[in-house]
Amino acid sequence: DTGVSQDPRHKITKRGQNVTFRCDPISEHNRLYWYRQTLGQGPEFLTYFQNEAQLEKSRLLSDRFSAERPKGSFSTLEIQRTEQGDSAMYLCASSLRVVAGVISEQYFGPGTRLTVT
Amino acid sequence: AQRVTQPEKLLSVFKGAPVELKCNYSYSGSPELFWYVQYSRQRLQLLLRHISRESIKGFTADLNKGETSFHLKKPFAQEEDSAMYYCALEPTNKLIFGTGTLLAVQP
Repeated sequence: DTGVSQDPRHKITKRGQNVTFRCDPISEHNRLYWYRQTLGQGPEFLTYFQNEAQLEKSRLLSDRFSAERPKGSFSTLEIQRTEQGDSAMYLCASSLRVVAGVISEQYFGPGTRLTVT
Repeated sequence: AQRVTQPEKLLSVFKGAPVELKCNYSYSGSPELFWYVQYSRQRLQLLLRHISRESIKGFTADLNKGETSFHLKKPFAQEEDSAMYYCALEPTNKLIFGTGTLLAVQP
């Protein structure tokens, strides 16, 4: 499977613990996005990278959240001191920016479902 | 504010009936609009984007800037069309999704 992969697929954690999720984009894609989806809602943008640079962060991304893409390939999303409100599906997507203004579609991973108890 | 509205949470139709999934957007610039679909136990995937003006799986969507709408249509629904459909706007570098409409096609 050469699509976007995410690990783990499911995570159950206790409130106050830290969790880290990993996303592996499609190999030639230079853009990587993180979204969060709660029940009954569409995905909400969290942040995106172009290569290793984090270019935009949503105000949804509180100080407890941090994302990295150290070598411009895979990315990690860490949530510190988890809260019950963090329970959601965390989606990763990737795309290819070819030239200025031309961006391929975003391809989504299967998501990581986080449950905070 | 940039926003996408999908007024129907659920649309139930019979096989062979026409389908229209509504989408309205709020954006002051020139919009890039998409329909994404999520079949049961599958990942979110692109169905169509307005700039390509394609028909995918019999679905079409026309951008109406006057009404700020991008409704998804199919003349004859099939059972395999049952899925969650999301309309999305791409103002700059990110997608803004609506809340989605669950399409249920009854046999």
